[in-house]
Amino acid sequence: EIVLTQSPATLSLSPGERATLSCRASQSVSTYLAWYQQKAGQAPRLLIYDASNRATGIPARFSGSGSGKDFTLTISSLEPEDFAVYYCLQRTNWPPSARFGGGTKVEIK
Amino acid sequence: EVQLVESGGGLVQPGRSLRLSCAASGFTFDDYAMHWVRQVPGKGLEWVSSISWNSGTIGYADSVKGRFIISRDNAKNSLYLQMNSLRAEDTALYYCAKDLAVAGTWPDYWGQGTLVTVSS
Repeated sequence: EIVLTQSPATLSLSPGERATLSCRASQSVSTYLAWYQQKAGQAPRLLIYDASNRATGIPARFSGSGSGKDFTLTISSLEPEDFAVYYCLQRTNWPPSARFGGGTKVEIK
Repeated sequence: EVQLVESGGGLVQPGRSLRLSCAASGFTFDDYAMHWVRQVPGKGLEWVSSISWNSGTIGYADSVKGRFIISRDNAKNSLYLQMNSLRAEDTALYYCAKDLAVAGTWPDYWGQGTLVTVSS
């Protein structure tokens, strides 16, 4: 089974700063990786899929990169609404399965 | 506007069964795969199961394989999760989510969830 490790667990930053979140897979997942944002009391929102494609309506300050085992979500300049928990998700085609990472909380410093 | 409304959650004893439903609207239901994802309150996300547009491809997390059954009724724009032999560790908020595509790729739109509590 593939394990996703997200780091850091918590990221303390100020609005306007750059956020860099990491997701590392225990084995290669090619580019089968997505990123989600979840705010308290809300359902998750898809930000990035296939490692680097922004989902519909996602601001350009969010970008994803990586392939194989190492992936990064970058928020170029944090807005107040970006403070939330971020999860990465990997999937396999066959057998169909998916697994989330443990999450990174981006909090206001 | 995409809407997904889960129902069927509640308090159930260990070993019993429960059936969750998800009513979909605002999109062509049979054009998309669907997912169930769960979350213990205050904890992380766990993918549970997915089903392709025509029910031809189905996947389950190891933690629920053999106990949960995902299904869909395209005529009723509805997704289901039959949960059998429930355990305390199945206690969570269960989300229904629409996929980006016909086969299982990425959940994009999510409902607000239905809470399942397994306890005696």
